[in-house]
Amino acid sequence: DTEVTQTPKHLVMGMTNKKSLKCEQHMGHRAMYWYKQKAKKPPELMFVYSYEKLSINESVPSRFSPECPNSSLLNLHLHALQPEDSALYLCASSQGLVGYTFGSGTRLTVV
Amino acid sequence: QKEVEQNSGPLSVPEGAIASLNCTYSDRGSQSFFWYRQYSGKSPELIMSIYSNGDKEDGRFTAQLNKASQYVSLLIRDSQPSDSATYLCAVNEGGSEKLVFGKGTKLTVNP
Repeated sequence: DTEVTQTPKHLVMGMTNKKSLKCEQHMGHRAMYWYKQKAKKPPELMFVYSYEKLSINESVPSRFSPECPNSSLLNLHLHALQPEDSALYLCASSQGLVGYTFGSGTRLTVV
Repeated sequence: QKEVEQNSGPLSVPEGAIASLNCTYSDRGSQSFFWYRQYSGKSPELIMSIYSNGDKEDGRFTAQLNKASQYVSLLIRDSQPSDSATYLCAVNEGGSEKLVFGKGTKLTVNP
């Protein structure tokens, strides 16, 4: 299995809603990432988990809350988002400095 | 903030031609270099990785790395219309797991 699976593929949520994005990989990769990508912009790093521990938080607002329940799963909990948070949210995994693999992403719209 | 710069494009080449994409980076501690292809509305797909100076070839793609000049390039030979996409250069930051992306170059291959 060489894939990173993200669910849901599309999500529309109101500014008062709570939702979660999910990511799963079965490649044995020890690092997992959340990236945010706005239209016509490159991906921007949000969080890095290494060996299930949060190692990098790129000063992301607290309305985004990551969670790594085990070495294969990565969640991003969303609460009280703003319309400007609408974007493509990408999960990725890697083994060291090789093999960065992205999932297909979740297209999030905040209304 | 470490920077990755790409020629802004857009780049347009005829079918069958060689497309040349360039990238420079600011962090001399970087060890891993990647080229991703991203079709509109899709997630980035890893097409080449390179870790040492010189050339690396994979099918129609050749990546070139010159660490002294802090320069990475991607050549696409016999360009096809299906190669039309945005190409993202990505560099790991200082040996960390963090990947920094350039802004991307949009390539159009005309039939």
